[in-house]
Amino acid sequence: EPEVTQTPSHQVTQMGQEVILRCVPISNHLYFYWYRQILGQKVEFLVSFYNNEISEKSEIFDDQFSVERPDGSNFTLKIRSTKLEDSAMYFCASSGDSRGYTFGSGTRLTVV
Amino acid sequence: RKEVEQDPGPFNVPEGATVAFNCTYSNSASQSFFWYRQDCRKEPKLLMSVYSSGNEDGRFTAQLNRASQYISLLIRDSKLSDSATYLCVVRRGNSGGGADGLTFGKGTHLIIQP
Repeated sequence: EPEVTQTPSHQVTQMGQEVILRCVPISNHLYFYWYRQILGQKVEFLVSFYNNEISEKSEIFDDQFSVERPDGSNFTLKIRSTKLEDSAMYFCASSGDSRGYTFGSGTRLTVV
Repeated sequence: RKEVEQDPGPFNVPEGATVAFNCTYSNSASQSFFWYRQDCRKEPKLLMSVYSSGNEDGRFTAQLNRASQYISLLIRDSKLSDSATYLCVVRRGNSGGGADGLTFGKGTHLIIQP
C-alpha cells in the first residue's frame, strides 16, 4: 500500500532555530497538507498545497511557517525561529481527491 | 461552540460488546465526513467515509444526519484491537476540490477489555 514518508521521525531543536520537516507524498497524489497535534490536543490543519502553491492556510500558519515543493517528490515545512509552543507532532498528508487523505507517521518536534 | 465535538471518553467496554460514538459539527456548509482511528502517538488512519444514506464496512456502521449536524459510528462485536482513539473529521469545503483542510474532533478514547 502506498505510503506518505516523513523525516526525521524526531527532531530536537533549540528555541530560535529554524527547522525543516520533510515529506514524500504518494506519487500520484495532487494535494498536500501539513497538520500538527500538540500532545493531548486535537489534530489541527496548518496548510494545503496544490499546483505548486498554497491553497488554504489556517490562522496557525503565520509568517513563521513556509512550505515548499522543491522537486517532484519532496514537500517541506519550514519553521523559522522556533518557539517552545511549536513543540508538537507534525503530520504530512496527501490526497488524490476530496476523499481518502493518507497521513505520514509524523515528525515529533521538541523545542528546548 | 466547538467546530467538531465528541465525547472524550474513555469508553471501557468488554470484548464482543457493541459501542456507539457520536459527534456534532457546527459548520452547516461542511461537505464530507469521516471517521479516523488514531493509536497512541501514531498518525490518524482513515476508518471510513460517512455518507448521507449511511454506510457499513464489516463491523463498522456510520450514519450522518445533516439536518441535526450529527455523525455516528457503531462498532459491533468489538475486538481488543479496536482499542484506540476515534476521531470525527469534517471537511469544510471552503475552497472546493481536494484542497480543503480537515477539521478534527478531539477524539473518543475506546478501551476494549478482555
